[in-house]
Amino acid sequence: AQSVAQPEDQVNVAEGNPLTVKCTYSVSGNPYLFWYVQYPNRGLQFLLKYITGDNLVKGSYGFEAEFNKSQTSFHLKKPSALVSDSALYFCADGSGTYKYIFGTGTRLKVLA
Amino acid sequence: DVKVTQSSRYLVKRTGEKVFLECVQDMDHENMFWYRQDPGLGLRLIYFSYDVKMKEKGDIPEGYSVSREKKERFSLILESASTNQTSMYLCAILGRRGEKLFFGSGTQLSVL
Repeated sequence: AQSVAQPEDQVNVAEGNPLTVKCTYSVSGNPYLFWYVQYPNRGLQFLLKYITGDNLVKGSYGFEAEFNKSQTSFHLKKPSALVSDSALYFCADGSGTYKYIFGTGTRLKVLA
Repeated sequence: DVKVTQSSRYLVKRTGEKVFLECVQDMDHENMFWYRQDPGLGLRLIYFSYDVKMKEKGDIPEGYSVSREKKERFSLILESASTNQTSMYLCAILGRRGEKLFFGSGTQLSVL
């Protein structure tokens, strides 16, 4: 079965430090990988995507993600975290027809 | 910008009531989706529609139905609400290039 896993329910990081939010996938064929962010009382917003091409993908708000085929991972990163980055982050695969598979989400807390 | 509007931000209903959740989009997109979001479970697809009057079951359709009489409007119906349907409900549309999803702000439904 196809799946997307986010192994950490919560990640805490100090403001100014680099952050990583982990995601691994298991899909047949080529993955279409996405990161979405959800701020309190809001819907999900698109951050970045990997379809093909460079393994390092840059997205909104200074975030980037690295696609690693051998490790089937697509970790979200940012060099210097901001308190305003605190939110719920979802990794997803969109390679199925009409069907996105979402991870369970990781809550990021950036501490001042 | 794509706009996806969910009619209610918060909704409180009683067990057994019939509940309508409305979603309206302003961009003439074909594909619309209803998800529910629960802590620790991520987003789960309830139903989706790829055109007017066309619908497909998602992963958890039991207890729900949908209606799409006009292209811009996709309604989720709880025929007889139950307490286990207390959740955040998110509507989404698929972008023109079939890649990213655009989400509404969500409806937090409480069934008492």
